[in-house]
Amino acid sequence: EAQVTQNPRYLITVTGKKLTVTCSQNMNHEYMSWYRQDPGLGLRQIYYSMNVEVTDKGDVPEGYKVSRKEKRNFPLILESPSPNQTSLYFCASSPKTGALNQPQHFGDGTRLSIL
Amino acid sequence: KQEVTQIPAALSVPEGENLVLNCSFTDSAIYNLQWFRQDPGKGLTSLLLIQSSQREQTSGRLNASLDKSSGRSTLYIAASQPGDSATYLCAPAGGATNKLIFGTGTLLAVQP
Repeated sequence: EAQVTQNPRYLITVTGKKLTVTCSQNMNHEYMSWYRQDPGLGLRQIYYSMNVEVTDKGDVPEGYKVSRKEKRNFPLILESPSPNQTSLYFCASSPKTGALNQPQHFGDGTRLSIL
Repeated sequence: KQEVTQIPAALSVPEGENLVLNCSFTDSAIYNLQWFRQDPGKGLTSLLLIQSSQREQTSGRLNASLDKSSGRSTLYIAASQPGDSATYLCAPAGGATNKLIFGTGTLLAVQP
């Protein structure tokens, strides 16, 4: 089954304790992206990757890192989490950039609470 | 900068009604536009994708239209059911980064 898998689904942690949210897709997609969703602000893009070893900042990249060493995986790293990073996070993938008829597929989300 | 507005923000209808959700966007240079459904605490489910060259797309009881020149899209839901209750999000995709820009959604409640 084609899917985007995120782990963990839920995490409560404390300020400053490094954490990684994993994202994996089994569709051989080139393009992957991370979004965060906050009440009243909607979904906003954090980082994206057009292919292996190619990543770039989205609209709200501060406090986050990503890497794309393999095509299927795109982890989101919070080196020193802070309470303002408490949010619902989504990973998405699509076959390639600018594909007119290719929808983006989303994972089920990761709810992070930073105390 | 692309801005997306969805109207209404919330909608409550009795079961069986036909309804229309509206989405407007400011930058017409898009590749496509997707409509998503989000259930509480859950991820996004893609409902329909309309390519920039298309006028409409249909899937079952759902029909989405796109008027790129005026920056508008509508999602029509026929014969609504309680199971249609969810938040509906529209998201045009465009630019060199293929980024989706989301509206804040329409919260739909279909009353039995």
